[in-house]
Amino acid sequence: EPEVTQTPSHQVTQMGQEVILRCVPISNHLYFYWYRQILGQKVEFLVSFYNNEISEKSEIFDDQFSVERPDGSNFTLKIRSTKLEDSAMYFCASSSDRGGTEAFFGQGTRLTVV
Amino acid sequence: AQTVTQSQPEMSVQEAETVTLSCTYDTSESDYYLFWYKQPPSRQMILVIRQEAYKQQNATENRFSVNFQKAAKSFSLKISDSQLGDAAMYFCAYRSAKGAQKLVFGQGTRLTINP
Repeated sequence: EPEVTQTPSHQVTQMGQEVILRCVPISNHLYFYWYRQILGQKVEFLVSFYNNEISEKSEIFDDQFSVERPDGSNFTLKIRSTKLEDSAMYFCASSSDRGGTEAFFGQGTRLTVV
Repeated sequence: AQTVTQSQPEMSVQEAETVTLSCTYDTSESDYYLFWYKQPPSRQMILVIRQEAYKQQNATENRFSVNFQKAAKSFSLKISDSQLGDAAMYFCAYRSAKGAQKLVFGQGTRLTINP
């Protein structure tokens, strides 16, 4: 069964450092997303990506964040200068089209900023 | 903007019993999709069930069914014959049928199954 794969599963970084979270979406999917879940809180939308550009982003997704699909298979989230409050679980998701088709989630990357 | 509210932070049920998790949402749209996702301790998000707003019939998936009340903007999840493996956080989510493709999640309900 196809699945969304995220690496690493856990990353610890020092405040101010750059991190790149990696995702391999399901191969025939066209829509890609990043979500964030701070421990004990709800899952929050960060950004959606379609046709090699951002289609929507939330208020959380400020200039410190960027996304890229560098090679047609990977989908990355970069945080330029991490803050303590960036510590969270980051989920990548993909879907084949808009609307009702389910979004398939990866297993998440737990980011800890110290 | 759409919002999703889950008013039950925690629920518990005896194994083999039935439990219902509540969800309400607010939207001005008429066409949208609703989902229940399960998040076990591994924290992966797993789709449990999906409902299209244009369908009057409530969705069912084995032991999982929903009670979709469009006028009341209510979307509850019923789990029948609860099993220990059902223990997890359950998130209700909304997705517009047009424009934004993002999922809007509720705060979640932690379900405990008592053996």
